[in-house]
Amino acid sequence: RKEVEQDPGPFNVPEGATVAFNCTYSNSASQSFFWYRQDCRKEPKLLMSVYSSGNEDGRFTAQLNRASQYISLLIRDSKLSDSATYLCVVNQIKAAGNKLTFGGGTRVLVKP
Amino acid sequence: DVKVTQSSRYLVKRTGEKVFLECVQDMDHENMFWYRQDPGLGLRLIYFSYDVKMKEKGDIPEGYSVSREKKERFSLILESASTNQTSMYLCASARWGSGANVLTFGAGSRLTVL
Repeated sequence: RKEVEQDPGPFNVPEGATVAFNCTYSNSASQSFFWYRQDCRKEPKLLMSVYSSGNEDGRFTAQLNRASQYISLLIRDSKLSDSATYLCVVNQIKAAGNKLTFGGGTRVLVKP
Repeated sequence: DVKVTQSSRYLVKRTGEKVFLECVQDMDHENMFWYRQDPGLGLRLIYFSYDVKMKEKGDIPEGYSVSREKKERFSLILESASTNQTSMYLCASARWGSGANVLTFGAGSRLTVL
């Protein structure tokens, strides 16, 4: 089983609709969580951190469920510019430092 | 803004060649990482470093080595390149702390091994 798993998609989303997807992680000792966004042929960039209580940044809402070991991302009122691959990242603090493991990414295509 | 610079955007090498991929960051970050990204497999961690001269294996270190002689520079070395090392290589750096746990990536180095 992979340490961090995501549905690869693509999620085809009409403009203005809401889309949500999850990311599961296998190591219960994981300590912090992030969503990154990667545009085609570009490097990943931080979208948002995920906090235990859930957090919102504009149209984006992230949730963490430690009991079931998954995080989620919800995008409201989707824009064409939201089309991208969304990468889930899980951080484990090791003696040697922070080890960040990426999921395979969920591709989202927003269409007019 | 943190800048992470990878020396080569595109490289073509032959099987058996030694390959150096250089990465430099300008924000005094302690932590640096090398990932490779392949379709369907996502980003996989090759090596990471939390301090000068320190290095730790990631999930797929076989066939690679790294060097961190200076804080700002983290080099990935392929001692004898093979065709299965054809990939996009991404370097990243980060400083950990309250509100500062952000990975910043370079633009990537696309390596083709013939």
